[in-house]
Amino acid sequence: DADVTQTPRNRITKTGKRIMLECSQTKGHDRMYWYRQDPGLGLRLIYYSFDVKDINKGEISDGYSVSRQAQAKFSLSLESAIPNQTALYFCATSDGYGYTFGSGTRLTVV
Amino acid sequence: AQKVTQAQTEISVVEKEDVTLDCVYETRDTTYYLFWYKQPPSGELVFLIRRNSFDEQNEISGRYSWNFQKSTSSFNFTITASQVVDSAVYFCALSENDYKLSFGAGTTVTVRA
Repeated sequence: DADVTQTPRNRITKTGKRIMLECSQTKGHDRMYWYRQDPGLGLRLIYYSFDVKDINKGEISDGYSVSRQAQAKFSLSLESAIPNQTALYFCATSDGYGYTFGSGTRLTVV
Repeated sequence: AQKVTQAQTEISVVEKEDVTLDCVYETRDTTYYLFWYKQPPSGELVFLIRRNSFDEQNEISGRYSWNFQKSTSSFNFTITASQVVDSAVYFCALSENDYKLSFGAGTTVTVRA
C-alpha cells in the first residue's frame, strides 16, 4: 500500500455539488496538508493540520473545509463546488523533515 | 510575497544537452530546507533532493546535480546529458520553521529526441 492514499483519483462533479476528497497515511506522522495545483502556479497550500485538534488555514482556504478524523486521516471538502476549483489536489504528510505526497486527485467541476 | 521563484517557465532542449533550472528563495529563517520535485506527465510528485540550510556542499546523483549558494539564495538544478524521460515539470520548494512547504511555479522541461 502507498504511504499516502488519496481517493478518488479522478472526479467530475457539477457546479454547486458538495464533494469530499479523502486522504489517509500510514507514515504515522502528525502533520498533514492539502495542496492545490494549477498550471503555472505551482502547488498552493489550502489547509494544514499538525495534530488531530489543530487545523489551520493555508493561503487559499476560501471555499474549502477540512476534517482531521484521526492521525491518519485528513479529508478536504468543497461545500459548493465551482468551476474555478477544477485542479489537481495533493495530500501530504510530514515528520517536519521530509514530505510524502499522495498521487493526487484530479477534480473537474463542470 | 513569493518565497520561491522559478523564473524559467519552460525549457526545451535536444537530447544529450545539459539543462539548468534556476531557483531563488526568500526566507528570514536561519534553519530551513530546500527541495526539488519532479512531476512527470503521469502527475505524481517524485522527490529528488532535500538540502538543509547548513549544508552548502554541491551534490551529484547520476546525471543530476545541485548547486546551493546561500549568498545568492539560490538552489539550482542541472540535468546533464538530458534524456527524453527527463521531460517533466520540476518544482523547487522551501520549508521554513513553520513546517509548511512553499513551492515555486515550476519549470516545464521538454527534451526532444
